[in-house]
Amino acid sequence: AQSVTQLDSHVSVSEGTPVLLRCNYSSSYSPSLFWYVQHPNKGLQLLLKYTSAATLVKGINGFEAEFKKSETSFHLTKPSAHMSDAAEYFCVVSESYKLSFGAGTTVTVRA
Amino acid sequence: DAGITQSPRHKVTETGTPVTLRCHQTENHRYMYWYRQDPGHGLRLIHYSYGVKDTDKGEVSDGYSVSRSKTEDFLLTLESATSSQTSVYFCAISELGLVAGNEQFFGPGTRLTVL
Repeated sequence: AQSVTQLDSHVSVSEGTPVLLRCNYSSSYSPSLFWYVQHPNKGLQLLLKYTSAATLVKGINGFEAEFKKSETSFHLTKPSAHMSDAAEYFCVVSESYKLSFGAGTTVTVRA
Repeated sequence: DAGITQSPRHKVTETGTPVTLRCHQTENHRYMYWYRQDPGHGLRLIHYSYGVKDTDKGEVSDGYSVSRSKTEDFLLTLESATSSQTSVYFCAISELGLVAGNEQFFGPGTRLTVL
């Protein structure tokens, strides 16, 4: 069975500083992994996905994530936070058609 | 943005009443999904469809039914709404479906309150 654990329910950063959102997964097979972002009162938007190609995945808006099989992790980073990055972020694992979502990490960006 | 609309966007209803939420897509994608979002739980799959009149249960299907009579429409029905079904409901679509790594595209959500 697949599952996802997002290690921080809330992250607060200052504008211009790096952002790190941590995600660990469990999967019986070689999973596909995604990060989605949800801005307040909006639907979910795909940031990036990993599907067994390059382990460092670049996404939209300057985000990237690194797949580490030995650590079963898929952490999301951005070198410099912007006010518009304030949102909720979901790490997601997929073994087939089904997506399993983490509980989410809320990011607050301080001016 | 993927062409997905949900209606209504907001609804308040009373316990015991039936409720139907509609998801409409213009992408002609084969697969459609209904999720609910609750604090601390992320999104959980209620039901999904892999074609017209082909549906199956997700992990939290009790109290919900679905129908898909056309490719573009996927309906979620709460036969007798309960307060525990107060949630935000998201529809999603995908093109390939039964393939790992196939991303899903999400609608804007419906906020349902059951009093």
